[in-house]
Amino acid sequence: AQSVTQPDIHITVSEGASLELRCNYSYGATPYLFWYVQSPGQGLQLLLKYFSGDTLVQGIKGFEAEFKRSQSSFNLRKPSVHWSDAAEYFCAASFAGNMLTFGGGTRLMVKP
Amino acid sequence: GAGVSQSPSNKVTEKGKDVELRCDPISGHTALYWYRQSLGQGLEFLIYFQGNSAPDKSGLPSDRFSAERTGGSVSTLTIQRTQQEDSAVYLCASSSASGVVETQYFGPGTRLLVL
Repeated sequence: AQSVTQPDIHITVSEGASLELRCNYSYGATPYLFWYVQSPGQGLQLLLKYFSGDTLVQGIKGFEAEFKRSQSSFNLRKPSVHWSDAAEYFCAASFAGNMLTFGGGTRLMVKP
Repeated sequence: GAGVSQSPSNKVTEKGKDVELRCDPISGHTALYWYRQSLGQGLEFLIYFQGNSAPDKSGLPSDRFSAERTGGSVSTLTIQRTQQEDSAVYLCASSSASGVVETQYFGPGTRLLVL
């Protein structure tokens, strides 16, 4: 079945440290891939998306993600985390239809 | 421009009552989606409207759930005879759907609590 998996439920990093959030998908072809961020009490904000082409995509707030077909992964990265990045991050995919299938989310905490 | 808006922000209701949740999409967006975010199930798709086409209802969990989209704009999600397991945040999203897959922009959600 088509699915999106985020293996890490919680991640804690120190401010200024680098960050990588993992995302894997299960599908027979390459889906459209997205990363969203949700701050407490807020809706989902799009960070970046991958449809085709260059496998390294740049997003807002200094985030980037790399699509790796061989690993069925779309990991999110940031070289230096800021305290304001503390939030919940969702990886999502569009498979055969237009609706999104979401991973379970990764809650990021940032230590001062 | 204005984003997706949803009302009410919060809704508390008693088990067995009906509720209506409203979504105003971004002006000009032809596609509209409803999702549900709950502790046990995460984020899950409910229903999708595209223009004047018949909606994709494949994600609705039971026949107590229904949705309408009037005039290709505002949408209302109705839950009849609410149950405690319906407690969740209901998120609406819209997209321009000018291509095969377009970015979905989400509203702030309606937090529903069924007592």
